[in-house]
Amino acid sequence: NAGVMQNPRHLVRRRGQEARLRCSPMKGHSHVYWYRQLPEEGLKFMVYLQKENIIDESGMPKERFSAEFPKEGPSILRIQQVVRGDSAAYFCASSSDREGSPLHFGNGTRLTVT
Amino acid sequence: KQEVTQIPAALSVPEGENLVLNCSFTDSAIYNLQWFRQDPGKGLTSLLLIQSSQREQTSGRLNASLDKSSGRSTLYIAASQPGDSATYLCAVTSGGGADGLTFGKGTHLIIQP
Repeated sequence: NAGVMQNPRHLVRRRGQEARLRCSPMKGHSHVYWYRQLPEEGLKFMVYLQKENIIDESGMPKERFSAEFPKEGPSILRIQQVVRGDSAAYFCASSSDREGSPLHFGNGTRLTVT
Repeated sequence: KQEVTQIPAALSVPEGENLVLNCSFTDSAIYNLQWFRQDPGKGLTSLLLIQSSQREQTSGRLNASLDKSSGRSTLYIAASQPGDSATYLCAVTSGGGADGLTFGKGTHLIIQP
């Protein structure tokens, strides 16, 4: 009964490169959320997706960041032309369709931009 | 805009003590409230989930209460152990979950052996 799987666990990119973070939700979950945790900061909501739809992207920067959750395969958070300020831990969470169901988190991807 | 505050930011107590962590939120129109534990360099582990219609939840040595009208929740840890050392995060879901969780910055707890 695998939980939320994120990969890679650690990702190092040079400034200007692209970063792709993957998240496979728990089996049976169709709601995916992405959060960012900066050093010494709380987790900040970025985007909420259901299969093939972005429901709420109010927390995601308008430029360079995009997210998708295709019909088949994991959810992808993509950061283009990374800058040092993108260095953070990125967490994915999933939940079932049932209203009020808890969010289950992955172990995160730690992105370091050099 | 919902804001979640956790007090204290850090706490260090001897093993065996009972302790209380506090969480407050500005908008009482929440769907539910969750307490999480985060170990250094790790993900989040859900400890307790309280629906807005509930007043408390218990799991082992943990008890979480919710007073929605005053915008407060407490996490009570009984007979603390060194293994309880971690950062404890409080998070609320507003608006039926469409915008995910709003997190506090956490309480960094150290239990001294």
